[in-house]
Amino acid sequence: NAGVTQTPKFQVLKTGQSMTLQCAQDMNHEYMSWYRQDPGMGLRLIHYSVGAGITDQGEVPNGYNVSRSTTEDFPLRLLSAAPSQTSVYFCASKAGGTDTQYFGPGTRLTVL
Amino acid sequence: GDSVTQMEGPVTLSEEAFLTINCTYTATGYPSLFWYVQYPGEGLQLLLKATKADDKGSNKGFEATYRKETTSFHLEKGSVQVSDSAVYFCALSGSGNTGKLIFGQGTTLQVKP
Repeated sequence: NAGVTQTPKFQVLKTGQSMTLQCAQDMNHEYMSWYRQDPGMGLRLIHYSVGAGITDQGEVPNGYNVSRSTTEDFPLRLLSAAPSQTSVYFCASKAGGTDTQYFGPGTRLTVL
Repeated sequence: GDSVTQMEGPVTLSEEAFLTINCTYTATGYPSLFWYVQYPGEGLQLLLKATKADDKGSNKGFEATYRKETTSFHLEKGSVQVSDSAVYFCALSGSGNTGKLIFGQGTTLQVKP
């Protein structure tokens, strides 16, 4: 199993550009989520999904969209990038009925 | 709402020193508690967890006990190594079966030879 994979690893955007961060898992996990990591603030939840076709907002959803058309994939879309979205983004997944979350390697995004 | 507070870092120790990283939480209900570790340039890995009061999680020489009376989940290791240098995050499971985690701000540990 590859586990949780994220692409790209690094990305530089200009203010106003849009892009999609990809996340995929091959463990047939029901639950998937996106976090952003900023210095001194730990990880904060952006959006999450409890199954295909179901998504909900986390703590810091503004400026981001998600969809979950398949169990495996959970892309995160930045509609119009802003410098405040400069961060490291982590995707995570877990199986239903369990506590353990598995994290991807992260995407480091810089918005100029 | 639910929250996690960790001791401020960075923590700098000499090899073989005793480590404690404090973590306290505020939560409704009975969350599971976790410690995650992030090595330089990598993602987060689960280090240990505890699912109910008085449970002790342990892994790789690290331990933490779920203390409901003090709402704490302090991380300890008797003898740290240089390879333990990393950022450590305390977290709790959010309410409802949603897979959400609430993290503390992270504590950077640097171990010197």
